[in-house]
Amino acid sequence: ETGVTQTPRHLVMGMTNKKSLKCEQHLGHNAMYWYKQSAKKPLELMFVYSLEERVENNSVPSRFSPECPNSSHLFLHLHTLQPEDSALYLCASSQASGVITDTQYFGPGTRLTVL
Amino acid sequence: KQEVTQIPAALSVPEGENLVLNCSFTDSAIYNLQWFRQDPGKGLTSLLLIQSSQREQTSGRLNASLDKSSGRSTLYIAASQPGDSATYLCARRSPRRGAQKLVFGQGTRLTINP
Repeated sequence: ETGVTQTPRHLVMGMTNKKSLKCEQHLGHNAMYWYKQSAKKPLELMFVYSLEERVENNSVPSRFSPECPNSSHLFLHLHTLQPEDSALYLCASSQASGVITDTQYFGPGTRLTVL
Repeated sequence: KQEVTQIPAALSVPEGENLVLNCSFTDSAIYNLQWFRQDPGKGLTSLLLIQSSQREQTSGRLNASLDKSSGRSTLYIAASQPGDSATYLCARRSPRRGAQKLVFGQGTRLTINP
């Protein structure tokens, strides 16, 4: 596997379920990100981890719980979600070296549907 | 509030035409501005990155410009092809070292008709 991978690619869950989204990067990067992409809304940054430490939490509800056990893996734990949480969840990574040309590399996303 | 606006929301043109996509932002204190491409149901691919000190960047048939004073960026696509059909997103990066904070526009959905 190369680049940024996400599993599962599609997920359907009820409001009382607990599930987790997984992201893995094979690029040797130091920072990882979760984004939410809803229909008709701009891509929204949810969480940022740098060297496994959370450095940004963009006022995300507590029903979304991130976990970054190491610099290659990022999880998003989901519980008691609402139908409006249905969206494409994208993971990204970057070198976070401070170089101005540093760019983020995105995974293919997990399409989440909450019933 | 840092906002990024992209107009139009959707654009359909015949193959072979040159076209311009627009991006405007409210805060001129940017680190850089990036253009991404997103195919349906897929992640984003970075196309061009313009540093705050630059005015334009080119890659193949793509040319992106940046005018910080007016808070605008454009993506020019020359000799469009059906394979260029995708959603194009621009994102401004706030002045911050290390891990990035990107603020995205809503995107322009481009369709190139054969």
